[in-house]
Formats: sequence, C-alpha cells, structure tokens
Amino acid sequence: DAMVIQNPRYQVTQFGKPVTLSCSQTLNHNVMYWYQQKSSQAPKLLFHYYDKDFNNEADTPDNFQSRRPNTSFCFLDIRSPGLGDAAMYLCATSRGVGQGLEKLFFGSGTQLSVL
Amino acid sequence: AQSVTQLGSHVSVSEGALVLLRCNYSSSVPPYLFWYVQYPNQGLQLLLKYTTGATLVKGINGFEAEFKKSETSFHLTKPSAHMSDAAEYFCAVSDPNAGKSTFGDGTTLTVKP
Repeated sequence: DAMVIQNPRYQVTQFGKPVTLSCSQTLNHNVMYWYQQKSSQAPKLLFHYYDKDFNNEADTPDNFQSRRPNTSFCFLDIRSPGLGDAAMYLCATSRGVGQGLEKLFFGSGTQLSVL
Repeated sequence: AQSVTQLGSHVSVSEGALVLLRCNYSSSVPPYLFWYVQYPNQGLQLLLKYTTGATLVKGINGFEAEFKKSETSFHLTKPSAHMSDAAEYFCAVSDPNAGKSTFGDGTTLTVKP
C-alpha cells in the first residue's frame, strides 16, 4: 500500500562523491517535494516540481539538483556531498495548489551519511 | 511570507494526562494549518488539518486542534496521553496558492508511565 516510496532507506557516501536519492509515487500527484531534515530540526524545503515545472528555494545550495523524468519519479542529486549534507531527506507529494494542498504525503525518508 | 513557531521543543506528560502542544503562525494570506507526527526514522504523517470552515478540527488518534485567528494559534491537544503518542510533532502552515508548506522546529513529546 506504500504510496510514496523512497530508496534506499539508508545511504552512505564519501565526501565529494556524487549520490542520487530516488522517490516514486503511486498517487499520480502533480507536485513532488524534496525536504532536508537534520536532527531535531524542521524539514526544510529544497525544491519542488509542479508537473514539469521546477521550483528551487532561494537558499538551496547549487550542490543540490533534482530531476523528474515522469509523473511517478523524482530524483535528488547531490553533486559533491559535504559533511554538512548528512541528513534525512524526505520526499513528499500533493495534488497541487489551492484545495490540492490539503495534505502532503511523505515517504519514509532516506538517511544520508557522509564519511 | 509565512512562518511557524512551536513553543517548547520538549514536552513531557504522564500517561493519562492532558497533552497540549503549542503552535503560533504568521501568514500574509488565510492559511492552511497542519499538524504532522513523526516517529523515529520515519516520514511525517498527517494528524489533522484546518483549511476552512469549523475552527475545531479533529484528527487521528484522539488529537484535536483549534484555529484561533485572533491569536494566530493552532494548538494541538489530546485529553489523555498514551505511551504510543511519544513522537515528534510538527506544526505547518501553507499558502494555498503558493503550493508549499513551512514547518515549525518540532516538539518532542515524551509520555511517562
């Protein structure tokens, strides 16, 4: 019954080695989000896609990029991970703006460690 | 612009006691308001939401919250805490037209036997 699926559950990478996190959804939602959550902090929005339209938050580092090849999948690419990028990365979806933003559906997250 | 302030990063209650988690928001437009719960190493799960209409909203697991526009508050309550309520709770505010949510820093709820 999983609706927003993130893989892998845990990811370990080396300092500076590119890494990709993946998210898929079975809800056919228009909007997909990537949040970064560090320990004991609020989820911080990195960017979101409304259909194919990419919306980057102003303070998201250039090191973070995203791809959405189709409605179901969205990827988070970290080009050169630093120690400060170790965090839980949460993918979420919603039907859209207005009434469509009544609820965010979250995946279980990918815990990224940088060695 | 919108923001959320959760008062108290840690709240501890005894099992069976009242739970009160505080949330104040700021929004330039009529907001949508949410409470989410997060268990360790998991994603966030919606507890309840306010969009329009009745200001007292009921959610899952016996939680409820009241939207008070004059106080810009959306506090979460539960009459009787259960051990399984121990988790991190996040308040969030959304601008319906912007299509994105802003989260508070969270409140860790501990329930003592």
